[in-house]
Amino acid sequence: NAGVTQTPKFQVLKTGQSMTLQCAQDMNHEYMSWYRQDPGMGLRLIHYSVGAGITDQGEVPNGYNVSRSTTEDFPLRLLSAAPSQTSVYFCASSLGPGEGETQYFGPGTRLLVL
Amino acid sequence: KQEVTQIPAALSVPEGENLVLNCSFTDSAIYNLQWFRQDPGKGLTSLLLIQSSQREQTSGRLNASLDKSSGRSTLYIAASQPGDSATYLCADTGFQKLVFGTGTRLLVSP
Repeated sequence: NAGVTQTPKFQVLKTGQSMTLQCAQDMNHEYMSWYRQDPGMGLRLIHYSVGAGITDQGEVPNGYNVSRSTTEDFPLRLLSAAPSQTSVYFCASSLGPGEGETQYFGPGTRLLVL
Repeated sequence: KQEVTQIPAALSVPEGENLVLNCSFTDSAIYNLQWFRQDPGKGLTSLLLIQSSQREQTSGRLNASLDKSSGRSTLYIAASQPGDSATYLCADTGFQKLVFGTGTRLLVSP
């Protein structure tokens, strides 16, 4: 199993540009989520999904969109990048409650918005 | 709203020492408590998950405890090694919406 994979590893954007951060898992996990990690603020939840076709907002959803058309993939879209979105983004997945809630994280995408 | 705190922010110890990392949370109705390790520039690796009905979990040299009444979890590392150097994070897994502490950066010197 590759586990949770994320692409790209690093990206530089100009203010106002859009892009999609990719996340995929091959563990047949129902639950997937996106976090951002900023110095001094820890990891914060952006959006999450409890299954294909079902998504919901986390703590810091503004400026980001998600969709979940398959169990395996959970892309994160930045509609119009802003310098405040400079961060490291992590995707995570798990089986879900009652079946082992251990969260598995991807290696992260480092995003710099100029 | 759950808040998770980890103190100290950084810790430096000599190799071989036993050490304890602390994690405090404000809401005793914690779901489950998970400990992670993060190496510089890398993702998070799960170390231990303590379900709310449990009091501790062990894996090798690691032992994690959970005391919901006092709002504390501790991660005990026995016989520390330089390879243990990393940032350690705890999180309330709260129905798949994790709330993280800001971590303790551990340095184990040879």
